[in-house]
Amino acid sequence: KAGVTQTPRYLIKTRGQQVTLSCSPISGHRSVSWYQQTPGQGLQFLFEYFSETQRNKGNFPGRFSGRQFSNSRSEMNVSTLELGDSALYLCASSLNRLDEQFFGPGTRLTVL
Amino acid sequence: AQSVTQPDIHITVSEGASLELRCNYSYGATPYLFWYVQSPGQGLQLLLKYFSGDTLVQGIKGFEAEFKRSQSSFNLRKPSVHWSDAAEYFCAVAAIKAAGNKLTFGGGTRVLVKP
Repeated sequence: KAGVTQTPRYLIKTRGQQVTLSCSPISGHRSVSWYQQTPGQGLQFLFEYFSETQRNKGNFPGRFSGRQFSNSRSEMNVSTLELGDSALYLCASSLNRLDEQFFGPGTRLTVL
Repeated sequence: AQSVTQPDIHITVSEGASLELRCNYSYGATPYLFWYVQSPGQGLQLLLKYFSGDTLVQGIKGFEAEFKRSQSSFNLRKPSVHWSDAAEYFCAVAAIKAAGNKLTFGGGTRVLVKP
């Protein structure tokens, strides 16, 4: 069974632009969560989607948004990029909301 | 709100020696606890988890962890370290019932293995 896939793996943007990251969960998994990893703040929870609905949201500004499609694939969007948004963005999927999460390899976003 | 503390930022251990990584959590109810490992440039791989039951949990790659409620700890151990164990290790807690499937991570412990 294929693992969690994330595209693209690497991305370079400039300040003020917007970006969309994609995550395909493990087949059959219905819950998708997103995390941001930076050297300064560590791993921080962004949001969780289940059955196409956002179920939980971390403490991030409204520039960070996401959605989940009927096939459980998820996208996250960051608008008006700032230098501080440079990070590794990790997606994780789980069978249901109460199950262990499996992580993808991440998307490395660099904002110049 | 739940929180996780990993007191050791770096640990250096000789190959073949034992390893113990500390993790302390703060959470009002029974926590769901996890240990993940991250190799450079990679995502997180689950080593083991504790949901309930036996407080000594066995995981992959020869790792084990012990849940001690009285000490709010979930320390990770390995009897004999291999060079391939060099990586960063993260302890995490999930407040499943209160906040769904949200993981709160500790700051991580980077393990260096000397030959």
